[in-house]
Amino acid sequence: AAGVIQSPRHLIKEKRETATLKCYPIPRHDTVYWYQQGPGQDPQFLISFYEKMQSDKGSIPDRFSAQQFSDYHSELNMSSLELGDSALYFCASSLQGAGETQYFGPGTRLLVL
Amino acid sequence: AQTVTQSQPEMSVQEAETVTLSCTYDTSESDYYLFWYKQPPSRQMILVIRQEAYKQQNATENRFSVNFQKAAKSFSLKISDSQLGDAAMYFCARGSNYKLTFGKGTLLTVNP
Repeated sequence: AAGVIQSPRHLIKEKRETATLKCYPIPRHDTVYWYQQGPGQDPQFLISFYEKMQSDKGSIPDRFSAQQFSDYHSELNMSSLELGDSALYFCASSLQGAGETQYFGPGTRLLVL
Repeated sequence: AQTVTQSQPEMSVQEAETVTLSCTYDTSESDYYLFWYKQPPSRQMILVIRQEAYKQQNATENRFSVNFQKAAKSFSLKISDSQLGDAAMYFCARGSNYKLTFGKGTLLTVNP
């Protein structure tokens, strides 16, 4: 079965640079979510989109923005990167009305130097 | 803030034996979902099992089952016939408003 695809899988950036993470949900899933997992931490919810509209927002820094496109893929844009942004970023997808079960992608490992 | 608590940072079990991981949660909602996710060293988040709060029957998926006590806001995971491949970090999560709130996780070690 098709899974959530994230790209790139690994990313190394310098402080103050920008990064763009991409997420392709499971086919027919209409909702995407972004989570950030720091080393030794649990995943923290950042933001979600349903039918291309922001549906909820968590602890996402103002330096980050995200959107969902007409083909349902989503991009997380991160600017003015800081050392503390180094983390594993997960995208998850679900089908609205299907019991909120979220299926996670493999994650993008971001390292900020 | 509504929280999810996993009181066992680490657990260990002998291969083929049974282990139970604990989870309690806080919520003011009547309709919500509960999940257990497994995160092996690859750090992939893998859904293990889910429970609808409106269902009294405990969910079961092969060797994995839950003990859902709604009044006590408790949601424990039982792994039967533990296998080496079960070794991982296990996260309990509550779903509400279409976002997941996770506990801090329990690191499960399986001893051969």
